Amino acid sequence: GENVEQHPSTLSVQEGDSAVIKCTYSDSASNYFPWYKQELGKGPQLIIDIRSNVGEKKDQRIAVTLNKTAKHFSLHITETQPEDSAVYFCAAGFGGSYIPTFGRGTSLIVHP
Amino acid sequence: GAVVSQHPSRVICKSGTSVKIECRSLDFQATTMFWYRQFPKQSLMLMATSNEGSKATYEQGVEKDKFLINHASLTLSTLTVTSAHPEDSSFYICSATTGSPSQPQHFGDGTRLSIL
Repeated sequence: GENVEQHPSTLSVQEGDSAVIKCTYSDSASNYFPWYKQELGKGPQLIIDIRSNVGEKKDQRIAVTLNKTAKHFSLHITETQPEDSAVYFCAAGFGGSYIPTFGRGTSLIVHP
Repeated sequence: GAVVSQHPSRVICKSGTSVKIECRSLDFQATTMFWYRQFPKQSLMLMATSNEGSKATYEQGVEKDKFLINHASLTLSTLTVTSAHPEDSSFYICSATTGSPSQPQHFGDGTRLSIL
């Protein structure tokens, strides 16, 4: 089955800096890669996703890149703000009976 | 955007009690719903996948007689933790999807279950 590795497990940045979280996956059949943000005591919320026919996608301060050859994808957050502090999960899966595999999560801390 | 409502948000009960958690998709038809368990500072552990009108598919190591799942309609799935014990204390999260290829899951806000 699919195996998703996520790094780093903890990321601490100063407000205004950029943050990058990286994930690798093992199954070349995976074609859908969502990113979720989970705040304390809440469920994960989808923040951005990318499909395998696209190499990069951007939504305001958030961007995701995908390298299918290397089987890795990354989340980029620019101009970080304290409210960006949360746990971020990447996931990988494929169409049809979509059951994604999640990474272990990255705790992002943005210091004011 | 798509909204998934999970209820209750928190349950505290005595050992031996059965607890039911509801997961509702409010503005879309959820062909498939997922139930996850999350331990502190850890990732989401998939417990089971349920498709409307059929029996749930449980992940290896998850006791189906312990965690009863019902997905009787396109907007509602329930998870019942039967005869709960302290080791069942955890954060349980549901998610729902339309089932179309490459459609995202939409998560509820989770249920914090504490068994005394």
